Amino acid sequence: EADIYQTPRYLVIGTGKKITLECSQTMGHDKMYWYQQDPGMELHLIHYSYGVNSTEKGDLSSESTVSRIRTEHFPLTLESARPSHTSQYLCASRRHYTEAFFGQGTRLTVV
Amino acid sequence: AQSVAQPEDQVNVAEGNPLTVKCTYSVSGNPYLFWYVQYPNRGLQFLLKYITGDNLVKGSYGFEAEFNKSQTSFHLKKPSALVSDSALYFCAAQEGSQGNLIFGKGTKLSVKP
Repeated sequence: EADIYQTPRYLVIGTGKKITLECSQTMGHDKMYWYQQDPGMELHLIHYSYGVNSTEKGDLSSESTVSRIRTEHFPLTLESARPSHTSQYLCASRRHYTEAFFGQGTRLTVV
Repeated sequence: AQSVAQPEDQVNVAEGNPLTVKCTYSVSGNPYLFWYVQYPNRGLQFLLKYITGDNLVKGSYGFEAEFNKSQTSFHLKKPSALVSDSALYFCAAQEGSQGNLIFGKGTKLSVKP
């Protein structure tokens, strides 16, 4: 098992609430990523970071924000959750030329 | 634009038969290529990668993949499928050592007894 952790695993929350999905890794990886996964499988890159104080938006437009204050921590925040945010969110980390390691994912349901 | 294609949404195989999950890529420069597997309600697990060297790459759980530069393909193979191989399989590509991973849409593999 990879040393990358996501919490919570499952979250059901009401519309309009602010939520933060946590992601931590203990491998010292510089690169970290957030992916949104459709129910039908496809992965979409929504945010990434190449190191502390570096964050970029991915290919899929997202209303979420991220921060990277520490190497090991890459939280994702939704200021006001909506039903359209219902999805699985996967966090990953890697070094430049190695494979990515994925967390177990957070399945978010907004009601 | 860089892309990864997995032309089959689903592959059905009988247990004991060989399996192939197809992947083609379009990246400039030297590609780094990966296969991942995802079981229900789990994150992605790394299976194997091609960076350089031998075109036939061996990975976890008896899987292997063949890099074909002329066909820009990186098909995943296993000589004898197991029911426990049933899962989602993702191919990914990266341009060189610095680029982000680009994932295919995934292929659902179903192995029946």
